[in-house]
Amino acid sequence: NAGVMQNPRHLVRRRGQEARLRCSPVKGHSHVYWYRQLPEEGLKFMVYLQKENIIDESGMPKERFSAEFPKEGPSILRIQQVVRGDSAAYFCASSPRTGGANEQFFGPGTRLTVL
Amino acid sequence: AQTVTQSQPEMSVQEAETVTLSCTYDTSESNYYLFWYKQPPSRQMILVIRQEAYKQQNATENRFSVNFQKAAKSFSLKISDSQLGDTAMYFCAFSPNSGNTPLVFGKGTRLSVIA
Repeated sequence: NAGVMQNPRHLVRRRGQEARLRCSPVKGHSHVYWYRQLPEEGLKFMVYLQKENIIDESGMPKERFSAEFPKEGPSILRIQQVVRGDSAAYFCASSPRTGGANEQFFGPGTRLTVL
Repeated sequence: AQTVTQSQPEMSVQEAETVTLSCTYDTSESNYYLFWYKQPPSRQMILVIRQEAYKQQNATENRFSVNFQKAAKSFSLKISDSQLGDTAMYFCAFSPNSGNTPLVFGKGTRLSVIA
């Protein structure tokens, strides 16, 4: 089952370090979404990318956060100079095409803990 | 902006019984998609059922069915013959029918199935 892959599953960083989260979409999917889930909360949208393009980053903080989805390789969510408030589960989802039912397939998530 | 409200933070049900989880949403869109996702302790997001707003017939997937009331903007999930493996967080989500767009999630309902 070649679903959405995310790594690492767990990531521990100290305040001020960088966190790099990776997402490999379902093979053939060209649309990737990143969501953040705080404890006891639902998922909140951060950024939507297609290959080599950021389509919508309205949910991503303007500072310290960046995302990319290169032509080759996984999508990367980068958090610079992490703070304790960045501790959360980060989910990636992919979908196959524009239009239609917009069914998104989710990865298992990366749990980031900032000490 | 679209919003999704799940008014039941926690629910419990006896094994083999039926339970209904509530979800309401707010949108000015005329066509859209609604989803229920399950998040078990593994934290993987699993699509349970999907409803297209222009379809009047309620969606059904085995023991899972929805009661979609478009005028009331209500989208409840009914789980019949509850099983211990149904224990999870359940999230209601909304997507406009305008191509690939981010999902808007409710805060979730924690369901416990009791033996």
